[in-house]
Amino acid sequence: DAGVTQTPRHEVAEKGQTIILKCEPVSGHNDLFWYRQTKIQGLELLSYFRSKSLMEDGGAFKDRFKAEMLNSSFSTLKIQPTEPKDSAVYLCASSLWGSSYEQYFGPGTRLTVL
Amino acid sequence: QEKVQQSPESLIVPEGAMVSLNCSFSDSASQSIWWYQQHPGKGPKALISIFSNGNKKEGRLTVYLNRASLHVSLHIKDSQPSDSAVYLCAVRGSNYKLTFGKGTLLTVTP
Repeated sequence: DAGVTQTPRHEVAEKGQTIILKCEPVSGHNDLFWYRQTKIQGLELLSYFRSKSLMEDGGAFKDRFKAEMLNSSFSTLKIQPTEPKDSAVYLCASSLWGSSYEQYFGPGTRLTVL
Repeated sequence: QEKVQQSPESLIVPEGAMVSLNCSFSDSASQSIWWYQQHPGKGPKALISIFSNGNKKEGRLTVYLNRASLHVSLHIKDSQPSDSAVYLCAVRGSNYKLTFGKGTLLTVTP
């Protein structure tokens, strides 16, 4: 079984650009999460979908961050416009609601904003 | 809002040592506590979880949960260099959310 796939693995953007990160969850999973990971803040939840419905849109991350789930097997995270403080690793995870709730993580996308 | 604190921040042990990692949380109504392992350049991977007070053992891993003191610990027996990684404690609240601690960096020297 394929795990969670994320592309690209690395992204470099200029300040003000729009970037789109992609995620394919584990087949059959109905929960999908986007996190941001930095050394200072650790893992922070950006968005959460259950069966393609947006359950949480990230509070403080709402303004420039927009996650979408186009179908049950594909999600995107758009950051618009990017700022240097957005430099971080962005992780996607999926799980099966009603089972163990174990979250399976992708390898992440390392974003650098210049 | 759930708060999760981990200690120590980092730890260096010789191969074969017993490793003990600590985690405290703030919400006594939390559903379950998870330990994740993260190697450099990889996403976190779930190792073990616990819901009820007491302990749970899986292979070289043992986790202890004390809900009264809001404390959970992970013990790794006979540590190996391949165990070198960041260990993340995550608490699942009464909603769906996992709140993560900032992690403990473990280095096991050969």
